[in-house]
This record gives sequence, structure tokens and C-alpha cells, in this order.
Amino acid sequence: RKEVEQDPGPFNVPEGATVAFNCTYSNSASQSFFWYRQDCRKEPKLLMSVYSSGNEDGRFTAQLNRASQYISLLIRDSKLSDSATYLCVAPTYNTDKLIFGTGTRLQVFP
Amino acid sequence: GAGVSQSPRYKVAKRGQDVALRCDPISGHVSLFWYQQALGQGPEFLTYFQNEAQLDKSGLPSDRFFAERPEGSVSTLKIQRTQQEDSAVYLCASSLAPRGQPQHFGDGTRLSIL
Repeated sequence: RKEVEQDPGPFNVPEGATVAFNCTYSNSASQSFFWYRQDCRKEPKLLMSVYSSGNEDGRFTAQLNRASQYISLLIRDSKLSDSATYLCVAPTYNTDKLIFGTGTRLQVFP
Repeated sequence: GAGVSQSPRYKVAKRGQDVALRCDPISGHVSLFWYQQALGQGPEFLTYFQNEAQLDKSGLPSDRFFAERPEGSVSTLKIQRTQQEDSAVYLCASSLAPRGQPQHFGDGTRLSIL
């Protein structure tokens, strides 16, 4: 089993829709998690850190479920500019090494 | 402000040549990471430095790959006797200590081996 698994998609949604991505991780000791966004032929950029209590940033909400070992990203009121690949990231235990999922591709259409 | 800077942005080399990729991290960032990203995949960890110390090189695919950060700032990833399977985007990232801080990525070097 991969350490971090994501549905590769693509998720094709109309503008204004709500879309959610899940990501499962295998290392139960992982403490902090991140969602990165990557546009085509660009570098990954930090979207959100994921806290135990969940966190929200505008239209984006991240949740962590430790019991089931998954994290989620919810995007409300999708914009065309949200079209990108969303990478789920978990550090390995007791190191700074990040393990990336393969990414979930989102395409928002008019 | 200045982000992570990588050079060259693109590199084309013939199989068997040596290449050197440079990373200039964000000023003051103690930790520096190298990742390899193949098309359609997420970045894969290669190696990690804390200041000048290389703390983890478990992701380097072979002994043809070598990384250094002699003064704890700029880092170079060297690939000797390149092979076609080395073609990928090489990403550098830096972060503040301590552990758990998010990493900030450079634009990457797109390496093509002919």
C-alpha cells in the first residue's frame, strides 16, 4: 500500500459546484499534513496546512480524521481558477521528509 | 520577497553526460530538500539537508546521484552518467526549522536526457 493515496481524478465540475477530495495515509504516527496545489508545469504551492480540529480558509476547508487515517479538502463555489492538481502531503514520522500523493486533478468548467 | 530559486530552468543532455542542478533556498531556511517528479506523479523525495549536513539521502535512486550543500545555503544536485530514466522535473524546497513547517518549492529544473 502506498503511504499516501489519492484518487487521481479528473474531477470535472461546473463553476459554483462544491467538490471534495479525500486522501488516505498509512503512517498513523504522522502529525501534520498539508494540501498543495500544482498548476500544469509549475511548482507545488502550499494551499493549506491541516490541523486536528479542521481548518477553513475562505472557500477551502480541510479536515483530518485520525481514526480512519484520511484527510479531506472541500472546495465550495468552485472557480475556473481552481482548476489544478491538488496534492495531499504527509510527513514521515519524526523526520521532515514529505510523502506526496500522486495528486487529484480538478477541472472546473464554465 | 525572494522565493526558492533553481537553475537552469531547462536542461537537455545526452545520455552519459554529467549534469549539475542548482538550488538557492529562501534566506534563513535551515532545511533544504530535493524531489524528483515524473509526469503525472507527485514529487518523490530524494534527499534532505539541515544546514550543511545531509541527514537523509534514502531517496537517491543510485550512486550516480550526489547532492551537496557545503555552506548550508546553496545546494547542488549532480547526476553523473545520465540515463534516459533520469528525465524528470527536479524540485528543490526549503523550510524553516523545526519539523512540521511547510516546505516552499522552487520552479524546478526540467531535465531531458536524449
